[in-house]
Amino acid sequence: RKEVEQDPGPFNVPEGATVAFNCTYSNSASQSFFWYRQDCRKEPKLLMSVYSSGNEDGRFTAQLNRASQYISLLIRDSKLSDSATYLCVVLRNSGNTPLVFGKGTRLSVIA
Amino acid sequence: GAVVSQHPSRVICKSGTSVKIECRSLDFQATTMFWYRQFPKQSLMLMATSNEGSKATYEQGVEKDKFLINHASLTLSTLTVTSAHPEDSSFYICSARDWGTGGGYEQYFGPGTRLTVT
Repeated sequence: RKEVEQDPGPFNVPEGATVAFNCTYSNSASQSFFWYRQDCRKEPKLLMSVYSSGNEDGRFTAQLNRASQYISLLIRDSKLSDSATYLCVVLRNSGNTPLVFGKGTRLSVIA
Repeated sequence: GAVVSQHPSRVICKSGTSVKIECRSLDFQATTMFWYRQFPKQSLMLMATSNEGSKATYEQGVEKDKFLINHASLTLSTLTVTSAHPEDSSFYICSARDWGTGGGYEQYFGPGTRLTVT
């Protein structure tokens, strides 16, 4: 089983739509969680951290369910500029604790 | 925020040659750097963790004799792909952890190096 699993999509949504991405992780000892965004042929960039209490940053809301080992990202009022691949990322709780990436979910927002 | 640079950004080489990729933390000291590889439409796969002044820790399935990692200073790590073959063609991305800020969890990514082996 992969450490981090995501639905690869693609998700094709119209502007203004609300879209949700899900992610599961296998290591219950994982300590920190993030959503990254990656544009085509670019490096990933941190979108937001994910906290147990849930957190919101503008149109983006992230949720974490430690019991189910489940992470989600909700994007409201989608913009064309939101088109990208969204990566679910977990901080491995061992050694030098590298970030472990999911395969990513591709989002295309259509005018 | 912290900046990580990579050089070169793009390289084309012939099969059997070796290629060196540099990763530098520009405004912070990075005791730990990570090397990832990403094939088209795949996720970033961690190849190895590089610690300044010691041997790198490789992920399972990554050949340490083929992917040589050197982390000789707090701001520089290098990845050398030895005897490159077409199947090594990929997007190689490094990242560095800035232990001075963000509770130690902030990882900054370089812009990546696109390697094409012909």
